[in-house]
Amino acid sequence: AQSVTQPDIHITVSEGASLELRCNYSYGATPYLFWYVQSPGQGLQLLLKYFSGDTLVQGIKGFEAEFKRSQSSFNLRKPSVHWSDAAEYFCAVGAGSGTYKYIFGTGTRLKVLA
Amino acid sequence: DVKVTQSSRYLVKRTGEKVFLECVQDMDHENMFWYRQDPGLGLRLIYFSYDVKMKEKGDIPEGYSVSREKKERFSLILESASTNQTSMYLCASSLLGGGDKYFGPGTRLTVT
Repeated sequence: AQSVTQPDIHITVSEGASLELRCNYSYGATPYLFWYVQSPGQGLQLLLKYFSGDTLVQGIKGFEAEFKRSQSSFNLRKPSVHWSDAAEYFCAVGAGSGTYKYIFGTGTRLKVLA
Repeated sequence: DVKVTQSSRYLVKRTGEKVFLECVQDMDHENMFWYRQDPGLGLRLIYFSYDVKMKEKGDIPEGYSVSREKKERFSLILESASTNQTSMYLCASSLLGGGDKYFGPGTRLTVT
């Protein structure tokens, strides 16, 4: 069965430090992979996505993610975190035709210390 | 910019009431979705629609129904609200071929 795992429920980093949020998936074929961010009281905003090609993808707000097929992972990274990055982050895998059926991870809540 | 709007940000209803959650998108997207978001469970798909009057069940359709009479509008209906339907409800839209989903700001529903 398809699944997405985000093993870290909460992560705390200091402003200016680097960040890596983990995402592991289980899917039979080459997946479509996404990272979304949800700021408090807001809907979800797409940060980046991977469909095919270069396994390192760049997104908005200085984020990047690397698809590693051998590890079934799609980890999100940022070299220097800003206080405004405090939010909840969701990894998702698109399954089915037209990627209409996303499977979301349970989210990682990021806290940034000043 | 794609805009997905939801009729209410916060809603409080009583058990047994019929509840309507409205969602409107302005980008002529064919697909529209209703998700439920609960802590520790992520987002779970309730229903989606790929065309006017067309709908398909998602992973947790029980206790919900939907209506799509116009392309831009997708309504979620709780026929008889129960306390276990207290949750954040998120609407989203996308083009028919799939790809990026655009989400509304969410409606936080409390059923007492």
